[in-house]
Amino acid sequence: KAGVTQTPRYLIKTRGQQVTLSCSPISGHRSVSWYQQTPGQGLQFLFEYFSETQRNKGNFPGRFSGRQFSNSRSEMNVSTLELGDSALYLCASSLDPHNEQFFGPGTRLTVL
Amino acid sequence: QKEVEQDPGPLSVPEGAIVSLNCTYSNSAFQYFMWYRQYSRKGPELLMYTYSSGNKEDGRFTAQVDKSSKYISLFIRDSQPSDSATYLCAMIGQGAQKLVFGQGTRLTINP
Repeated sequence: KAGVTQTPRYLIKTRGQQVTLSCSPISGHRSVSWYQQTPGQGLQFLFEYFSETQRNKGNFPGRFSGRQFSNSRSEMNVSTLELGDSALYLCASSLDPHNEQFFGPGTRLTVL
Repeated sequence: QKEVEQDPGPLSVPEGAIVSLNCTYSNSAFQYFMWYRQYSRKGPELLMYTYSSGNKEDGRFTAQVDKSSKYISLFIRDSQPSDSATYLCAMIGQGAQKLVFGQGTRLTINP
């Protein structure tokens, strides 16, 4: 069974630009969660999607948004990038958030 | 105060030692408890998943949950250099949709 895949793996952007990250969950998983990981703040929850609906959102500004498609694939978008957005962005999939969540390898975003 | 507290370490032990990693939490609604292992520049890998209180064993790994004390532990027996990684605890409540993570403990097993 293929794991969670994320593209791209690495990204370098400049301040003010926007970026879109993609996540393909494990086949059959309908829940996709996104997290931001930084050395200072650890793993922080961004949002969770289930059957194309955002069910929960973390404490991030509106510049962070996401969506989920009918095949459960998900994208997240960050607009007007700031230096502090440099982080590892992780996607996790599960049958339901209370079940085991399996993480992808992450997208490492660097904002210059 | 953070919902989940985890000593960030670093923790360094000799090969073959028993390792004990711990988290405390404040939210009594947490029902599902997980331990993840994360190698440098990789995504977290699920090690253990437990529901409510009790013990669960999987090979060299044992997870314990004590809900009365709001305390969870992960024990690694016969530790190997390949166990060197950051270990993250995570938990979620019934009806909630987001995992809450500890800060992670950086572990090094010395040959």
